[in-house]
Amino acid sequence: GESVGLHLPTLSVQEGDNSIINCAYSNSASDYFIWYKQESGKGPQFIIDIRSNMDKRQGQRVTVLLNKTVKHLSLQIAATQPGDSAVYFCAENNQGAQKLVFGQGTRLTINP
Amino acid sequence: EAGVTQSPTHLIKTRGQQATLRCSPISGHTSVYWYQQALGLGLQFLLWYDEGEERNRGNFPPRFSGRQFPNYSSELNVNALELEDSALYLCASSGGQGWTEAFFGQGTRLTVV
Repeated sequence: GESVGLHLPTLSVQEGDNSIINCAYSNSASDYFIWYKQESGKGPQFIIDIRSNMDKRQGQRVTVLLNKTVKHLSLQIAATQPGDSAVYFCAENNQGAQKLVFGQGTRLTINP
Repeated sequence: EAGVTQSPTHLIKTRGQQATLRCSPISGHTSVYWYQQALGLGLQFLLWYDEGEERNRGNFPPRFSGRQFPNYSSELNVNALELEDSALYLCASSGGQGWTEAFFGQGTRLTVV
């Protein structure tokens, strides 16, 4: 079956440091990946996406890296801020199936 | 521009009852996706509707059903409620370009007692 999982369920970082959240996926047919941020009491918010024909994509303070060889995805947040505290989900999509498969999530907490 | 709206925000039901959850997509979006998020867990895919038709379904029993109306809004119905149905139910809409432009609503918190 298909699954998307995360290596670390919780991550604590110092304010101002960089954060790296990791994700493993098992469906080699997945061709599109998204990172979502979910704050307490809110729905998931799109952060950044990447297609399987790329290995890196950068946004504002965030970078997503894709390693198809080992089926690994990571989200890097630069200069982590208190507002970055949330649960982060990676999700994979096989365009043929048209559904996103989500991982369990990683809770990111920021230490002052 | 209004985002995806879901109603009600909270819903409390008794075991065996039926629950109806509603979702209004972003204007112009024709696809609606439903997900279940149990407390502390990830999102589990429930249903996908597009142009009024059910296009895909997750691994949930038949008592989870729904529909999409001509205005592209959607309902999720859960019959014969069980305690483990308690969860946050999230709706997302997209404009036909798949997940590249999909947005989630705030969700409906369903509690079954």
